[in-house]
Amino acid sequence: SQQGEEDPQALSIQEGENATMNCSYKTSINNLQWYRQNSGRGLVHLILIRSNEREKHSGRLRVTLDTSKKSSSLLITASRAADTASYFCATSPTDGANSKLTFGKGITLSVRP
Amino acid sequence: NAGVTQTPKFQVLKTGQSMTLQCAQDMNHEYMSWYRQDPGMGLRLIHYSVGAGITDQGEVPNGYNVSRSTTEDFPLRLLSAAPSQTSVYFCASSYRPREEYEQYFGPGTRLTVT
Repeated sequence: SQQGEEDPQALSIQEGENATMNCSYKTSINNLQWYRQNSGRGLVHLILIRSNEREKHSGRLRVTLDTSKKSSSLLITASRAADTASYFCATSPTDGANSKLTFGKGITLSVRP
Repeated sequence: NAGVTQTPKFQVLKTGQSMTLQCAQDMNHEYMSWYRQDPGMGLRLIHYSVGAGITDQGEVPNGYNVSRSTTEDFPLRLLSAAPSQTSVYFCASSYRPREEYEQYFGPGTRLTVT
């Protein structure tokens, strides 16, 4: 069963705008990861945030984690057409076996030129 | 490094046929796994391995077998294909079998069972 649920399911923005995507999960986690999938390709790891971290940056990406609300957000600033892809959050529950990542259903981001 | 490679890229099977999806990695990763991706369902874990000779079931293991005789290879076998196994299959690996390590994904195999 899906541990992470992304929101919204689809997002369409203009190039240059910021894109915010959310992920909620049900059980306590060790860390949360975000992945990107371009059409017809495999997933690519973007960023990992640990349960004791609140915010993390990587280039134009900013991830926050609120363990009290069991939610995370991924912000892409100054979006580009090349950011068009599906984005997934993946969690590792503390009561699960190591490395058994559970993925959400994904968010489809479209960035219009 | 080639990373994670998967063959074939596309495959069409008839119901009841068997086949093996190949997965290989050249990064000396301990952990390897297989996922299937269906529209609106995200990725679901089929089987995984924390090292050569060790495999375990994921969320949706029925109808699939795996083995891990070497660190590099982790084939997925469909013994008797069913239309419900029509999906895109991804193999992934990570350095260690722990959740803090990122997973590297292969390009996927698109399987259609008629």
